[in-house]
This record gives sequence, C-alpha cells and structure tokens, in this order.
Amino acid sequence: EDKVVQSPLSLVVHEGDTVTLNCSYEVTNFRSLLWYKQEKKAPTFLFMLTSSGIEKKSGRLSSILDKKELFSILNITATQTGDSAIYLCAVEAPRTGTASKLTFGTGTRLQVTL
Amino acid sequence: KAGVTQTPRYLIKTRGQQVTLSCSPISGHRSVSWYQQTPGQGLQFLFEYFSETQRNKGNFPGRFSGRQFSNSRSEMNVSTLELGDSALYLCASSLAGRGQQYFGPGTRLTVT
Repeated sequence: EDKVVQSPLSLVVHEGDTVTLNCSYEVTNFRSLLWYKQEKKAPTFLFMLTSSGIEKKSGRLSSILDKKELFSILNITATQTGDSAIYLCAVEAPRTGTASKLTFGTGTRLQVTL
Repeated sequence: KAGVTQTPRYLIKTRGQQVTLSCSPISGHRSVSWYQQTPGQGLQFLFEYFSETQRNKGNFPGRFSGRQFSNSRSEMNVSTLELGDSALYLCASSLAGRGQQYFGPGTRLTVT
C-alpha cells in the first residue's frame, strides 16, 4: 500500500525563523509529488515536483525532490504569521496509466508566533 | 474562472441515514476526485471520476459511492451513515486527472 509520511507533525516557530518540512514516501508507479497549504478549508497548491534535484521556488518557499532517497523537503524562510497552516504532501501514484490518485501524508501543522 | 464548488457546505445527519454531496469542477476539467479528511487519518482518497467513469477507487466500504454527469459535475453518496463518517469531504478537479488538483471548500458532515 502507498505510504506518505510527513515530519514533524507540528511545529511552533517565531516570526523570521526558517523552517524545513519533510516528506518521505513509499509508492509504486510514482508520477509526481505535490505540496499543498491548508489554512481553513480547501488545500491550495504550492508546488509539483517530478524530477530529482531541481528546486522549485516561489517567494520565500522552496522545495526539492530526491527520487533516489524517496523524500522531499519544503523550506520556508523568514516565516510570517500568515504562513501558519497545515502543509500537506501528496504523491501522485495511479494504479492505472491515466487515472489520478493522490496519497496524502497527515500533514505538518505550522504555527508562527510573533 | 470560477473555482471548484461544493454543496452543501455543512450537513448534520443521524446514524443510519444517507447523504448526497455535490461537486462542480472548474469549467473544462473532466476529472473529479473525492477525499475524506479527518483529524486522525488526514486526507484519504475515495474515488476518481473521468468522463462519467470511475477510474480509481480507494479503500472505503461499498456504502461510499459516487457518479459523474456528462457536464463533469459529480455527486458522492454515503448510505447507512455511521458516527465515524463525520469528516470534511473534499472534492478536487483537474483537466485530465494528472498533476495538480484544485480543491473545493469541502462539505463538513457531522453524524450524530
């Protein structure tokens, strides 16, 4: 069975700190790894990673994938209170060629305090 | 472009009843996936529909079913509700089922 594990489960940091969130996976038929941010209800998309070693960056957030070691990290620099959310890692690993199936980790709850 | 919409947003049902949830994908998206989110289990995949056909199914009992209409709108049905079905039900759409999925706001179901 496909498995995605995120660590830490929760994290409290001060504004301005840098944080690293981890995601490891064991799946068959890996297609991509995605990061989402969930604040209230709907998860919002951050990054999609398909190739090892290529960093994706958006402002203060960046992410990288290691397909050999089966993990990804999400970095947030100069954290702000608005970064407080649950960060979800998901792996796309469909059983059939064209179908879609995301397996999610349980998420990392990040709280940024003043 | 309008985002993914889900109705109703909140629902309270009693054990044994059944419920139908609705999801309208982003215009042009043909794939709709459903997920159950609970505090203990996180987001778990229920099923995915594409062009009115179920292509993928998660490990949920047969009480959970769904369908997709020709306009790509999808419904999810849960029969004989149990207390453990209380959760946030999220649907997500994508163009053809690959890569990024766009999530709706969810339906919060409470079973009493």
